Amino acid sequence: NAGVMQNPRHLVRRRGQEARLRCSPMKGHSHVYWYRQLPEEGLKFMVYLQKENIIDESGMPKERFSAEFPKEGPSILRIQQVVRGDSAAYFCASSRGPGQGYNEQFFGPGTRLTVL
Amino acid sequence: QQPVQSPQAVILREGEDAVINCSSSKALYSVHWYRQKHGEAPVFLMILLKGGEQKGHEKISASFNEKKQQSSLYLTASQLSYSGTYFCGTERDQNRDDKIIFGKGTRLHILP
Repeated sequence: NAGVMQNPRHLVRRRGQEARLRCSPMKGHSHVYWYRQLPEEGLKFMVYLQKENIIDESGMPKERFSAEFPKEGPSILRIQQVVRGDSAAYFCASSRGPGQGYNEQFFGPGTRLTVL
Repeated sequence: QQPVQSPQAVILREGEDAVINCSSSKALYSVHWYRQKHGEAPVFLMILLKGGEQKGHEKISASFNEKKQQSSLYLTASQLSYSGTYFCGTERDQNRDDKIIFGKGTRLHILP
């Protein structure tokens, strides 16, 4: 009965490198959400995906950030050419999706990204 | 449209009650409540649907006023373990692929 899994839990990158964050949803969940959280702040929506489909990416910065959820494998949030301002906790959540009754989201443990 | 939570922060003594409010300017299908402890992931507490259905925690209750687009979370006889930041999230339409938008959170600190 595994919950939402994220890896790595901690990631350190130097400015200009790429960061790849992975998220495996709960069994039976087909929708994945990515959020960014700065210390002492709320959860900022980034992107909402279904397998092979981006449903809403209105919270994603236009440059350097991309997300995918392939038919097989985990969802990946990719940040290219990281800058210090990208340092944050990135949480992934999954749900069964709308139209399935209760659509509660379950969160993974997060990836804490530090950019040096 | 981000829901507005109030108060921003609350300090209580163990055993006291607290109410956290969440309001939206848009018509809502559901309201979700989560609690996050420092350094941890948010944990699902409760979901309230338009029409009165709800699902959630045994010891925590909540209400959803659909006409006013408001929800309140009631924490009675608070315990030390209730400390954390509480987030409400709102969902506008069941049938569209609509994301959940979270409020900025209410920090609750319980003193022994």
